[in-house]
Amino acid sequence: AQKITQTQPGMFVQEKEAVTLDCTYDTSDQSYGLFWYKQPSSGEMIFLIYQGSYDEQNATEGRYSLNFQKARKSANLVISASQLGDSAMYFCAMRPYFTGTASKLTFGTGTRLQVTL
Amino acid sequence: EPEVTQTPSHQVTQMGQEVILRCVPISNHLYFYWYRQILGQKVEFLVSFYNNEISEKSEIFDDQFSVERPDGSNFTLKIRSTKLEDSAMYFCASTGGETGELFFGEGSRLTVL
Repeated sequence: AQKITQTQPGMFVQEKEAVTLDCTYDTSDQSYGLFWYKQPSSGEMIFLIYQGSYDEQNATEGRYSLNFQKARKSANLVISASQLGDSAMYFCAMRPYFTGTASKLTFGTGTRLQVTL
Repeated sequence: EPEVTQTPSHQVTQMGQEVILRCVPISNHLYFYWYRQILGQKVEFLVSFYNNEISEKSEIFDDQFSVERPDGSNFTLKIRSTKLEDSAMYFCASTGGETGELFFGEGSRLTVL
């Protein structure tokens, strides 16, 4: 079974500043993927960034980067140069690989980010 | 860009009524999912589907729930007799393989009165 823990229910950041959203995970799977999704107030789930368990380099996608520390089982999301449009709920999630089935994505409880002027 | 589409976007129903939520996954995807999110809460897994059968289901997915892929494009979630606590946003998702992200639809908001 997989478990995702997001300990920050809410975060504030000033516009143009960087912010780190924490995520730790627990799994017995050898191969897995870690994901971050953004959910704005409109409700849709927007994929942001992905890190495979065997990827040695931290993933980056534009202003998003994933600080992956496998030994600590953490996969923190870093958003650089925050914008007002970044205000949303952010979910960390993981998915085991090579199970031979439609392996599910397990979500954390989310962190609500508010970007201020 | 291909996307997952869901209908209806919002449905209001009376307790005890049957509801069918429809999804059209991305056309070359093979793995399909339903999730639900009660307002302001966690995104919860309901069921996964592959090769025309259920791969896994959660404890939420009891006998009142069923899924079907009636043709090559649609993937439906049926709730036979809705309860007040079924009120939630229901998300359909699909993916092309055993790795990579799930692509989510925009959700169907179900309100049970």
